[in-house]
Amino acid sequence: ILNVEQSPQSLHVQEGDSTNFTCSFPSSNFYALHWYRWETAKSPEALFVMTLNGDEKKKGRISATLNTKEGYSYLYIKGSQPEDSATYLCASIPYNQGGKLIFGQGTELSVKP
Amino acid sequence: GAVVSQHPSRVICKSGTSVKIECRSLDFQATTMFWYRQFPKQSLMLMATSNEGSKATYEQGVEKDKFLINHASLTLSTLTVTSAHPEDSSFYICSARETGRRSNQPQHFGDGTRLSIL
Repeated sequence: ILNVEQSPQSLHVQEGDSTNFTCSFPSSNFYALHWYRWETAKSPEALFVMTLNGDEKKKGRISATLNTKEGYSYLYIKGSQPEDSATYLCASIPYNQGGKLIFGQGTELSVKP
Repeated sequence: GAVVSQHPSRVICKSGTSVKIECRSLDFQATTMFWYRQFPKQSLMLMATSNEGSKATYEQGVEKDKFLINHASLTLSTLTVTSAHPEDSSFYICSARETGRRSNQPQHFGDGTRLSIL
C-alpha cells in the first residue's frame, strides 16, 4: 500500500449503534498514526496518537487499535450518539520526514437520533 | 489551549488577484507549520512545510512561485496564492506543531479557508 486509505467513505447509523472504520497505511517506514475528528465548520481535532504495534487507545466511547506489521488501524465507536457525527481522518507519519502527515480521504459518519 | 486561528475563512475574488491567508498559533509557539489543500471528495494533501526563519519545503508538484510561504515569527505563517486562477479554487488549511514537541505528536489545525476564484 502506497497511500493511506480509509473505508468506508461514509456511514449512516442509528443512535445507539456501535460502528468501526478502517485505515490502511504503508507499513514500511512507519513512525506514527494519528486519528482526527473533523466536524463541519470546525478544525480537525486530534483523537489518538498511535506508535506501537498492538497499541490500543481509548477515549470515552471511542477506541482505536494499531497493527504496524500489516499496516492497518481500526477506530471503534460504541453506542454512537448524534454528536459523534463528523468526518474521521487518519494520517500516517513516515519516519524521518519531519512529521509530515499523509491523510486518508476520511470516513464521514452520520448518526441519526 | 493549542488554538490555531486561520484567516480569512472565505475568499471570493477575480482571476489574477493575489490572496494571502494567515495562520496564527494563539497560545503556543510553533517553529513548524504545515499547509494543506483539499479538493472535493479528496484527502488533505500537504503542500508545504513552513519553518520559522527559513525557506519552506514544498511537496513535489507544488509550485513555490505560485504558493509563497512566509514564516517570519514563531506564531505566524502566511500562504500567498499569487495571480490566482480558477484552478486554484480549493480549501486550504494550516496546522501547527508546538515548538519542542516530537514530530509524531498531533498537529493543531486552523478552521481552513475556502478560496473561490471567479
